[in-house]
Amino acid sequence: GAVVSQHPSRVICKSGTSVKIECRSLDFQATTMFWYRQFPKQSLMLMATSNEGSKATYEQGVEKDKFLINHASLTLSTLTVTSAHPEDSSFYICSASGPAAYEQYFGPGTRLTVT
Amino acid sequence: GESVGLHLPTLSVQEGDNSIINCAYSNSASDYFIWYKQESGKGPQFIIDIRSNMDKRQGQRVTVLLNKTVKHLSLQIAATQPGDSAVYFCAERRGNTPLVFGKGTRLSVIA
Repeated sequence: GAVVSQHPSRVICKSGTSVKIECRSLDFQATTMFWYRQFPKQSLMLMATSNEGSKATYEQGVEKDKFLINHASLTLSTLTVTSAHPEDSSFYICSASGPAAYEQYFGPGTRLTVT
Repeated sequence: GESVGLHLPTLSVQEGDNSIINCAYSNSASDYFIWYKQESGKGPQFIIDIRSNMDKRQGQRVTVLLNKTVKHLSLQIAATQPGDSAVYFCAERRGNTPLVFGKGTRLSVIA
């Protein structure tokens, strides 16, 4: 099956700094990538959808200037949390769809802790 | 936006028994449904999917049932094992829109 990786798996950063999370599709070309956020004991909430070479589409309530998404190639999308605050601490999960579009493959997630 | 709860519903079953996890979905236009298993600290793992033109689909030890009339989805796990302990999410989509996840159920298998 298709494999999606994320890096780093865990990151701790200080309040006010920025942190970048990478999402890669390893064996397929991801025309669309999705970023989800999951708080403890809660479900996955979609943050944004990005198509390669286009600006990301953000869900209502997600600040596009705070969560910068770049989908520069068909195998890589990055999420940058700018000026992170403790309330941004969460589990960030990316997902990718290939040309068939119907299947959506998930990465292993990145645990962000902001101190 | 979605309403979220502070605690996931929990289903406790004896090892070897069958488990049934239920999900009510919201969008009557959804045409594709997936069940995911999520272990602590990991991303969702695909279990089984079903399209809206079907009402039942079976996999290895798992069965998904879809009732479009009442917008209800269920996951049945046969002969539940300790390794099945995890949080289970249903997810729905319409066409090529992103998957929308349900609230999740924690399955706890008692050995």
